[in-house]
Amino acid sequence: GAGVSQTPSNKVTEKGKYVELRCDPISGHTALYWYRQSLGQGPEFLIYFQGTGAADDSGLPNDRFFAVRPEGSVSTLKIQRTERGDSAVYLCASSQRTGITEAFFGQGTRLTVV
Amino acid sequence: AQSVTQLDSHVSVSEGTPVLLRCNYSSSYSPSLFWYVQHPNKGLQLLLKYTSAATLVKGINGFEAEFKKSETSFHLTKPSAHMSDAAEYFCVVSELGRGNEKLTFGTGTRLTIIP
Repeated sequence: GAGVSQTPSNKVTEKGKYVELRCDPISGHTALYWYRQSLGQGPEFLIYFQGTGAADDSGLPNDRFFAVRPEGSVSTLKIQRTERGDSAVYLCASSQRTGITEAFFGQGTRLTVV
Repeated sequence: AQSVTQLDSHVSVSEGTPVLLRCNYSSSYSPSLFWYVQHPNKGLQLLLKYTSAATLVKGINGFEAEFKKSETSFHLTKPSAHMSDAAEYFCVVSELGRGNEKLTFGTGTRLTIIP
C-alpha cells in the first residue's frame, strides 16, 4: 500500500476486555515497530519485528501485551484484560530493512478503556 | 543505554523569525539521530536524519540540524518560521546497526507560530 495502515483508528473498550490492534506495513518492509504514545508524551517503544520474529520485545509493559506477525507482513498487537492505564495512541511503523533507514509511521489507533 | 532530552516543552516564535528546538542525546555508541514532526491528527513524519556522514543535515521544509559530538547536541533550526510549521517535534536517537534497532523518542517540543 501507499503507507502504513492501522485499524481501527479508534477503539473504545470496557475495562477487562480483550482488544486487537492491526498494522499493515508498507509492502516489502521487513522491519515493523509498535509504539505507544500517551497524552503529552513522546512515543514509547513496545516491540520490534524483523520478519516474522520479535527481535526486541523489551518495551512490552507486562504479560497482558502480546504481538504477532505470522507471515512477516501484517502485525497484530493484542492486549488482554485491558486497564484504564492502557488508554493511549498505539503507533505502528515499518522500515525497509534494519540499519540506517527511515521508519514510516501509521496514523495510530486511539485506544480508550472505560 | 540511549536517551534524548528535549530542553523545551514549548517554543513560541513569530512568523518569519528563526526557529531553534534544542535536543541533547546520550548514547554508548556513535548514534543515529532523527527529528520527526507530528501535526495534529496526522502521523509522524521524518524531517531529517544524521547517520555519521556530514554533521550539518538538511531536511524537508527548510529545516536543518547540526550534530555536535563535543556538546552531545542535535538542535533543529529553521531561518524563517511559517504558520504551517506549528506542530509537535520529536528528537529521536537510535543505535541502528549495532543490534539495537529501536528508536528512542524525546518528550517532544510543541512549536507555536505567532502571526
